[in-house]
Amino acid sequence: AQKVTQAQTEISVVEKEDVTLDCVYETRDTTYYLFWYKQPPSGELVFLIRRNSFDEQNEISGRYSWNFQKSTSSFNFTITASQVVDSAVYFCALSEGGYQKVTFGTGTKLQVIP
Amino acid sequence: DTGVSQDPRHKITKRGQNVTFRCDPISEHNRLYWYRQTLGQGPEFLTYFQNEAQLEKSRLLSDRFSAERPKGSFSTLEIQRTEQGDSAMYLCAVTGAANTGELFFGEGSRLTVL
Repeated sequence: AQKVTQAQTEISVVEKEDVTLDCVYETRDTTYYLFWYKQPPSGELVFLIRRNSFDEQNEISGRYSWNFQKSTSSFNFTITASQVVDSAVYFCALSEGGYQKVTFGTGTKLQVIP
Repeated sequence: DTGVSQDPRHKITKRGQNVTFRCDPISEHNRLYWYRQTLGQGPEFLTYFQNEAQLEKSRLLSDRFSAERPKGSFSTLEIQRTEQGDSAMYLCAVTGAANTGELFFGEGSRLTVL
C-alpha cells in the first residue's frame, strides 16, 4: 500500500527566509510518481511538480526546488526567499505505476510572515 | 482556471437527505477522479473513471455513495441518506492532456450536513 507522510503540520517563517517542506513516502512498486500541490487560502489545489522514480535529478524552478532521494524515500520541497504569497498548505502525493490512484499526505501549512 | 467546473459550490442539507454534485471538465479528459477533503486533511481518493468506466472505488465509498460518468465527459456524485460525517469538500479532478499523472482540480463542492 502506498503512503505519504508529511511530519510538519505547520511552519512559520519570516519573509525572505528559506524553508524546506519534508515528504517521506512508502511504496512497494519500483515505478512510481511523486507530486507536490499547493492549496492557497482560496482553496483550489494547484499542481506544482511531478517526478518519476527513475529520475533522481533535483529540479529548480525559480524560487522552488525539489530534492528527490530514493535511498531515504524522501521528496523534499524548498522555497528560497519566501514571500507572503507562498502562504498555503502544501501537499506531497504519490501514485504507483499507471497513474491511477494518487495518495496525498496530510499537508504542511506554511505561513510566511511579512 | 483548471477547466474543471463543479456545482454546487456549497450545499447545506439536513441529515437523511440526498445530495448530488456535478463535475464538468471543459475539454475531454480520459480520466476523472473524485476526492474528499476534510478540514486539516489531505484529499482522500474516492473513485475514478476512465471514460465512462468506473475503474476503482475506495473502501471509503459506502453503499450510500454512487458516481456516474454516463458519456465520458461530465460526472455526478450522489450521496444518499446523508450523515453528519459526510460533511466535507468534494473535489473533482482530471488528468492533463498528456495523461502523465498530475491532477487538475476543480474548486470543489462543500457539503454541510446539519
